[in-house]
Amino acid sequence: AQSVTQLDSHVSVSEGTPVLLRCNYSSSYSPSLFWYVQHPNKGLQLLLKYTSAATLVKGINGFEAEFKKSETSFHLTKPSAHMSDAAEYFCVVSDRTGGYNKLIFGAGTRLAVHP
Amino acid sequence: DGGITQSPKYLFRKEGQNVTLSCEQNLNHDAMYWYRQDPGQGLRLIYYSQIVNDFQKGDIAEGYSVSREKKESFPLTVTSAQKNPTAFYLCASGGQGGETQYFGPGTRLLVL
Repeated sequence: AQSVTQLDSHVSVSEGTPVLLRCNYSSSYSPSLFWYVQHPNKGLQLLLKYTSAATLVKGINGFEAEFKKSETSFHLTKPSAHMSDAAEYFCVVSDRTGGYNKLIFGAGTRLAVHP
Repeated sequence: DGGITQSPKYLFRKEGQNVTLSCEQNLNHDAMYWYRQDPGQGLRLIYYSQIVNDFQKGDIAEGYSVSREKKESFPLTVTSAQKNPTAFYLCASGGQGGETQYFGPGTRLLVL
């Protein structure tokens, strides 16, 4: 069965410093992986998606993630944090074994950005 | 504008009352989904529909019901059988065969 583990429930950075949000996955086949962002009381917005075309995936707002099969990781990074990046981030894996497209969500990482 | 709309933004339910959450999409997507989000947790799938007039239970369907009479619409009813309905409810849609799901803005349900 597919699963994801977000290794940090909270991450705090200063504005202008790098961001690293960690995600490990478990999958019995080559997975499709996603990062979504959720601002308070809002829906989820797709940041980026990995589908085996390239291991380094670039997303919106300067975010990127690297798929590392040997480490079963899909960490999200950004070189320089902005105040508007403060939000909840979800790592997600797609599970196609049930005959439909099921998304398995991690518990989320709350990113705080300080001036 | 293409997208997914949910209404209302906030909904209050009295004990023993059924309430219905609306979800509409104009993305021409075949598949639609309902998720529940509780504080500090990821999303859990309530129901999904891959095509009009067909829908399936997700992981936490008890106390909920849905219909899919039109491609654009997938309303969710929270019945009185749902004993802990307070949560943030998110609707999503996706193209058939595609894996990416796009989310609406959500409805927050509170119990009076």
